[in-house]
Amino acid sequence: NAGVMQNPRHLVRRRGQEARLRCSPMKGHSHVYWYRQLPEEGLKFMVYLQKENIIDESGMPKERFSAEFPKEGPSILRIQQVVRGDSAAYFCASSPQETGGLLNTEAFFGQGTRLTVV
Amino acid sequence: RKEVEQDPGPFNVPEGATVAFNCTYSNSASQSFFWYRQDCRKEPKLLMSVYSSGNEDGRFTAQLNRASQYISLLIRDSKLSDSATYLCVVDRSGGSYIPTFGRGTSLIVHP
Repeated sequence: NAGVMQNPRHLVRRRGQEARLRCSPMKGHSHVYWYRQLPEEGLKFMVYLQKENIIDESGMPKERFSAEFPKEGPSILRIQQVVRGDSAAYFCASSPQETGGLLNTEAFFGQGTRLTVV
Repeated sequence: RKEVEQDPGPFNVPEGATVAFNCTYSNSASQSFFWYRQDCRKEPKLLMSVYSSGNEDGRFTAQLNRASQYISLLIRDSKLSDSATYLCVVDRSGGSYIPTFGRGTSLIVHP
């Protein structure tokens, strides 16, 4: 059972270009989370998706950032017109189901995509 | 007040020492608590869940204090390989389950 797969592992973009980050959750997992980690900082929640639905995007910047999790294929985090401040590690995590009445649902992380904007 | 707060450290301890980290959280309705470990430039990995009754896994002990809204991690007999950042994770209750991370506490174990 492959783990959470993210690609690319490293991405370099010039200012103004678009960045597309991909995340394939673990088999059987229908919930995907995206986090951003700046150097020397913690993981900041960005968006929570289920298949074809954005459940919570309260951590997403209002402009230039979007996310999707289509019925088929990986989840995509898209950053338009990148700026230097977007340089960070972007981690995707998946879990099998929403907690609901279930406690202690572990989230499994991919290895991350390190975005560098030059 | 931040949702999840941790002392960033670093905690610098000799091999064999016992070290403890605390983490406080702001949402009294939170139900799920974890400690993750993150090595430099790697993804976070689950270290252990934290149960209401407290739980132990080898050299690691986690405790939850709901009244004071903090969780703790105790590491006994520290090894060099324990050097890492320890992340406190609490669910953002009140709607969807969203794991919310503290900034992390850095541990350096030296010979």
